[in-house]
Amino acid sequence: EFVLTQSPATLSLSPGDRATLSCRASQSVSSYLAWYQQKPGQAPRLLIYDASNRAPGIPARFSGSGSGTDFTLTISSLEPEDFAVYYCQQRSNWFWAFGQGTKVEIK
Amino acid sequence: QVQLVESGGGVVQPGRSLRLSCAASGFNFKNYGMHWVRQTPGKGLEWVTIIWYDGSKKYYADSVKSRFTISRDNSKNMVYLQMNSLRAEDTAMYYCARDRPYGDYTIDYWGQGTLVTVSS
Repeated sequence: EFVLTQSPATLSLSPGDRATLSCRASQSVSSYLAWYQQKPGQAPRLLIYDASNRAPGIPARFSGSGSGTDFTLTISSLEPEDFAVYYCQQRSNWFWAFGQGTKVEIK
Repeated sequence: QVQLVESGGGVVQPGRSLRLSCAASGFNFKNYGMHWVRQTPGKGLEWVTIIWYDGSKKYYADSVKSRFTISRDNSKNMVYLQMNSLRAEDTAMYYCARDRPYGDYTIDYWGQGTLVTVSS
């Protein structure tokens, strides 16, 4: 079974801090990994696709990296609107998997 | 701009059926694969199903296989999710979402969701 594991579950940081979120795949399938942001009461929003490409309209403080089984989302300097839950996503054998999410909360 | 508007959610008894609809606008619908993704209240995201741009292929999560059916009508810019034999664990917010047409299997736009509650 293909699984994406995100860490940490919760990240407590202050505005202006750097956030580093991890996503690990149970097996290497491709570099087609995406990151989404979800705020309470809202649908998810695509941030990063193909591991490192920002979606249209996404600020440059969001960046993605990684390959194989280990991927990272970095927020260089947290803005108040960045406190949210972040999910990674990847497809394997016609199954779209999501990580369990990392909550970035205000410290 | 891309818009996806879901409807059809509600409260339904276990074992009954429900059909969700998703109206798409702001893009050339017939060129895009479409997904349904669900989210249990307070929990994470679970992919449910995808239908190819022309309806030729459909894939399902094991948890819904043989109970749920995805379909689309490209003449109406609509995608549907027929849910049969509903269980309590199907209770969730159901999102309609668009697949990026570049072969990278990424979901790029999401609707606001419709809530399904399975309860007696």
